[in-house]
Amino acid sequence: SQQGEEDPQALSIQEGENATMNCSYKTSINNLQWYRQNSGRGLVHLILIRSNEREKHSGRLRVTLDTSKKSSSLLITASRAADTASYFCATDTGGSYIPTFGRGTSLIVHP
Amino acid sequence: DTGVSQDPRHKITKRGQNVTFRCDPISEHNRLYWYRQTLGQGPEFLTYFQNEAQLEKSRLLSDRFSAERPKGSFSTLEIQRTEQGDSAMYLCASSGLAADTQYFGPGTRLTVL
Repeated sequence: SQQGEEDPQALSIQEGENATMNCSYKTSINNLQWYRQNSGRGLVHLILIRSNEREKHSGRLRVTLDTSKKSSSLLITASRAADTASYFCATDTGGSYIPTFGRGTSLIVHP
Repeated sequence: DTGVSQDPRHKITKRGQNVTFRCDPISEHNRLYWYRQTLGQGPEFLTYFQNEAQLEKSRLLSDRFSAERPKGSFSTLEIQRTEQGDSAMYLCASSGLAADTQYFGPGTRLTVL
């Protein structure tokens, strides 16, 4: 079973707009990571946020983590056509630190 | 640092044949993971190694699947008697410590006819 679930499943926006994706999970986590995957290719790591952190930034990306609500959000500001991809959250729990992935959000940014 | 590499990138095989995939992790990484991904889904964990020891296997890893990491460097994933349901992208990832970021390879796309 999948620990994390992304929402929405699909998102379509215009270039320059912001994109927000959410991830909800079921059990307490050690870390939460966001990955990007372009069509049919490998995953690229975006941000790792630890359970004791609340917010992290990387360039145009902002990730928040609310452990009380068991949820995280990924904000991409000033989106570009090149941001078109699937975005996955992955959570790890317990002592093995093995990330479990959600089904992803498919983002399309129209030029 | 050349990243995680996987070989082959694509494999087409007939049902019943055996296939083997190779993964070369980032050289200083101790942990190596195998995942499977089907269309429209996120990667599903199959197994992982810490150095040469295989520490955990998913229930998805049937008896037809076997993975090795003999010298704690590269790893192989073998599927015996392939079935059409094995068609998927097989992803390899590596990381240093347990809580570190995983770095993924480009994947091997398997098509079983």
